[in-house]
Amino acid sequence: DSGVTQTPKHLITATGQRVTLRCSPRSGDLSVYWYQQSLDQGLQFLIQYYNGEERAKGNILERFSAQQFPDLHSELNLSSLELGDSALYFCASSVGLWNEQFFGPGTRLTVL
Amino acid sequence: GNSVTQMEGPVTLSEEAFLTINCTYTATGYPSLFWYVQYPGEGLQLLLKATKADDKGSNKGFEATYRKETTSFHLEKGSVQVSDSAVYFCALSDRSGTASKLTFGTGTRLQVTL
Repeated sequence: DSGVTQTPKHLITATGQRVTLRCSPRSGDLSVYWYQQSLDQGLQFLIQYYNGEERAKGNILERFSAQQFPDLHSELNLSSLELGDSALYFCASSVGLWNEQFFGPGTRLTVL
Repeated sequence: GNSVTQMEGPVTLSEEAFLTINCTYTATGYPSLFWYVQYPGEGLQLLLKATKADDKGSNKGFEATYRKETTSFHLEKGSVQVSDSAVYFCALSDRSGTASKLTFGTGTRLQVTL
């Protein structure tokens, strides 16, 4: 158990809908990262937050957004969902900006 | 940009066989290198890491050495067990700019049989 929690574990929804994925980092970690794992794209970095501020953006679609709250938990919002958004979404956390990252168990999103 | 190349899988070995999974990288600057393991139905677990050239990371019998001259970080284990069956990801973290993200290889599936 890494100490990073993600909810829900599974999510099934329809095209065009909007969902929110939630992540709670390890106690004391200030950085939160989001990654997407799909069969065709592999593991891709989406976005990083540090102590509430966005620090880096990767291949994140405009339909996706994220935020980190004062209690340091983070949410990833996915809207206007398409079939191709079906994937495993991982959250990771680290103590600071440069430290090793610990991953949560992931949320499996299925868009029908 | 940064990239990581791993050998294609799946790799099928008998228990107690020697394991090598090749990983090479392209990066600007001086990245840190990692091996993560993903067991079926689970998230990623950090297996080992190395932060500078010639460092050797090791954990649970697995080893990898950071080779700057060949830009490689090959994973090895002397004697694999059935419980090692999983997908292994090589990754790098480039401490450039103001943030640190992981760039992953495509993963190598290892299957160990009795």
